[in-house]
Amino acid sequence: DSGVTQTPKHLITATGQRVTLRCSPRSGDLSVYWYQQSLDQGLQFLIQYYNGEERAKGNILERFSAQQFPDLHSELNLSSLELGDSALYFCASSVDSPARNYGYTFGSGTRLTVV
Amino acid sequence: DQQVKQNSPSLSVQEGRISILNCDYTNSMFDYFLWYKKYPAEGPTFLISISSIKDKNEDGRFTVFLNKSAKHLSLHIVPSQPGDSAVYFCAASEIGDKVIFGPGTSLSVIP
Repeated sequence: DSGVTQTPKHLITATGQRVTLRCSPRSGDLSVYWYQQSLDQGLQFLIQYYNGEERAKGNILERFSAQQFPDLHSELNLSSLELGDSALYFCASSVDSPARNYGYTFGSGTRLTVV
Repeated sequence: DQQVKQNSPSLSVQEGRISILNCDYTNSMFDYFLWYKKYPAEGPTFLISISSIKDKNEDGRFTVFLNKSAKHLSLHIVPSQPGDSAVYFCAASEIGDKVIFGPGTSLSVIP
């Protein structure tokens, strides 16, 4: 157990729907990162929050949004879902930002299947 | 446009031998490089990092080498063990904490 909790582990939904993925960072970590891993693709950076504020943005679609709450948990909202959104979505956390020299702690991911 | 490339999708190595995983990058502004290991059904786990001001960093059986002029880094695992069988991701970051991951190399260590 890495200490980063992601729920749900699996999610199957229909095209056009909206889903919310949840992440609880490791205790004491202020920074949360969201990544998408599609089939045969590397981890694509989506967005980062630090202590409730957006810190960095990657290739996140306009249909996707995220936020970090006062208790530091984060939610990734995916709307108007398309088949191509099917992927593994990972959340990671770190004590501070930047964390590039000692890495992030990743959760085990949420597997989203859009049918 | 992939900024971090891992051109070998897979690699097989005999137990006890050296595993060498390679990574190339295009962005000269990257100042930290990291390696992660991922087992099936788990999230990636941080292994080792190296600053762009160094050319080598060692941690137990794992050594990362950086060749800035060639924009190339490699991860050496010596000796390789069956438990090292996993997908290895090379990653790089520039100022601002955005970390870019490569597509990964699947390592199989054969007993």
